[in-house]
Amino acid sequence: DADVTQTPRNRITKTGKRIMLECSQTKGHDRMYWYRQDPGLGLQLIYYSFDVKDINKGEISDGYSVSRQAQAKFSLSLESAIPNQTALYFCATSDSRRATDTQYFGPGTRLTVL
Amino acid sequence: QKEVEQDPGPLSVPEGAIVSLNCTYSNSAFQYFMWYRQYSRKGPELLMYTYSSGNKEDGRFTAQVDKSSKYISLFIRDSQPSDSATYLCAMSGTGETSGSRLTFGEGTQLTVNP
Repeated sequence: DADVTQTPRNRITKTGKRIMLECSQTKGHDRMYWYRQDPGLGLQLIYYSFDVKDINKGEISDGYSVSRQAQAKFSLSLESAIPNQTALYFCATSDSRRATDTQYFGPGTRLTVL
Repeated sequence: QKEVEQDPGPLSVPEGAIVSLNCTYSNSAFQYFMWYRQYSRKGPELLMYTYSSGNKEDGRFTAQVDKSSKYISLFIRDSQPSDSATYLCAMSGTGETSGSRLTFGEGTQLTVNP
């Protein structure tokens, strides 16, 4: 969905490096999320933000941090990458004004930590 | 024990077959039930959405929720090769915070053979 974009789409890095994944959306949604997807585990919530000043930890926030620079931008950082953070990362958005609060996902970032 | 259990498959069927995908869950607070479809190298996209128990039909797709058994299903009639994807169930509870936090199954990989 072009309304939610993620950069980079692929990244290979080394253990100990700092990495930032970026997410931008043009949907006008107030809520944004970061997930990671691993085989056998499905999608797990890392962090979520209900607005620019509201950031919350998800199920697996250790080793990650986030920044909500604007309503449309939500970045995920790995301060010191480790190999078990190798995964597919997805950003998602939702609109709190809608009854269903459906989440819309970006195309994903494939991260490999060597 | 996972809150949401989903058989990862893989599931392979001939074109035209009826496909049944299922999830079980343990959290009785879940009220909203969704099915997402994820094509290879893409982000998940919402396919079906159901609130509480009952059936919902959309073209070749039918979603069923049985809250008494904590069991949800997605049926695909007249399956097509273009239905080949990973199907993820997702669910959430009610309330400002829990309503936006989705819990996903690990996904079932489906292949429809021509």
